[in-house]
Amino acid sequence: KQEVTQIPAALSVPEGENLVLNCSFTDSAIYNLQWFRQDPGKGLTSLLLIQSSQREQTSGRLNASLDKSSGRSTLYIAASQPGDSATYLCAVGEGADGLTFGKGTHLIIQP
Amino acid sequence: DAGVIQSPRHEVTEMGQEVTLRCKPISGHNSLFWYRQTMMRGLELLIYFNNNVPIDDSGMPEDRFSAKMPNASFSTLKIQPSEPRDSAVYFCASSLQGGETQYFGPGTRLLVL
Repeated sequence: KQEVTQIPAALSVPEGENLVLNCSFTDSAIYNLQWFRQDPGKGLTSLLLIQSSQREQTSGRLNASLDKSSGRSTLYIAASQPGDSATYLCAVGEGADGLTFGKGTHLIIQP
Repeated sequence: DAGVIQSPRHEVTEMGQEVTLRCKPISGHNSLFWYRQTMMRGLELLIYFNNNVPIDDSGMPEDRFSAKMPNASFSTLKIQPSEPRDSAVYFCASSLQGGETQYFGPGTRLLVL
């Protein structure tokens, strides 16, 4: 059974810093990997999706990488802003099925 | 373009009552997913549909849970009878096809007393 782990569980950094969120998964036979953002009391917003054949995806200040063979993905956030404060969730897809989620990293950007 | 719509947004009920959660996926999306989020277990897949057909319901916790998708624009998740341990946020998500980006609704926050 696929297991997804996110480290750290919580992170607090000053505004302007670059930061990296980590995600690992136990079964490397994945179809894709998706990063989401969740604000308190709200639903999930998709940030980036990486297909298993891809190494990385970029959107604005966000860059997600995927190393399938080692079972790892990272989400890089450049020049962090207070508005980036949220919980970031990593989710693995193994085909047309639903996603297996990590527990998330709770990120606080200090003004 | 409207996103995934869920109703109600909040539901408070008493143990033993029937609860029905509703979802309208994004128009044109062929896959629909129901997830449950709790502090202890995080987000878990309950069931998903492809072209209105249930594909995998292995995540449904008990026979008290059932889900239907009578047409491409509507799905329900029913809990009967409800129990306090069912208290959670229930999310519906849809995607154009299976394996593509999933778009989530705002969730239904359920509290069973």
